[in-house]
Amino acid sequence: QQPVQSPQAVILREGEDAVINCSSSKALYSVHWYRQKHGEAPVFLMILLKGGEQKGHEKISASFNEKKQQSSLYLTASQLSYSGTYFCGTEYSGAGSYQLTFGKGTKLSVIP
Amino acid sequence: NAGVTQTPKFRVLKTGQSMTLLCAQDMNHEYMYWYRQDPGMGLRLIHYSVGEGTTAKGEVPDGYNVSRLKKQNFLLGLESAAPSQTSVYFCASSYSEEAGSTDTQYFGPGTRLTVL
Repeated sequence: QQPVQSPQAVILREGEDAVINCSSSKALYSVHWYRQKHGEAPVFLMILLKGGEQKGHEKISASFNEKKQQSSLYLTASQLSYSGTYFCGTEYSGAGSYQLTFGKGTKLSVIP
Repeated sequence: NAGVTQTPKFRVLKTGQSMTLLCAQDMNHEYMYWYRQDPGMGLRLIHYSVGEGTTAKGEVPDGYNVSRLKKQNFLLGLESAAPSQTSVYFCASSYSEEAGSTDTQYFGPGTRLTVL
């Protein structure tokens, strides 16, 4: 079951902040965040694991609310290079899942 | 260290033709994946493999077959292509820190397939 991302699209001016949300109706083991620029492959940003352990990108942060089965990606002081489509990939609780289910993406455009 | 590579980069097929997409990784990863990406749909998992000689179905497996005869290679086959299989196909691989979970997935550059 595909996680739901919001918003679908957002336009920012350089220096502004944004939050992208990812919600699941199923219990999550981990949430992965990727960014994809037009015509390129998705690139890993961050993993958030159940239990609160966080890894990833130094200038972008994220949270994982286990009670709400929701993750949020925080982009602060946005730069032009942040433009792209952000995907969350969810890994569901239970042994042997091995796979991610991706949301439909949030298109972020940063303008000067 | 090339990471994940895919061949070909582009391909045009006629309905009913067959083809194989090749994915190769040089990171010694156990897990490999095939996704398709369509506008507005995100990435959808077709098939995946958790080790040499093993494969499993993902979310949208119909019309595709896969094989993992060598750890570094993961092949995706279309036996009889249909226009609905027009898409961008991405391969990915990952290392897992513990059984039953997936770590960072590294994606290949993609194959753009058009079926007429």
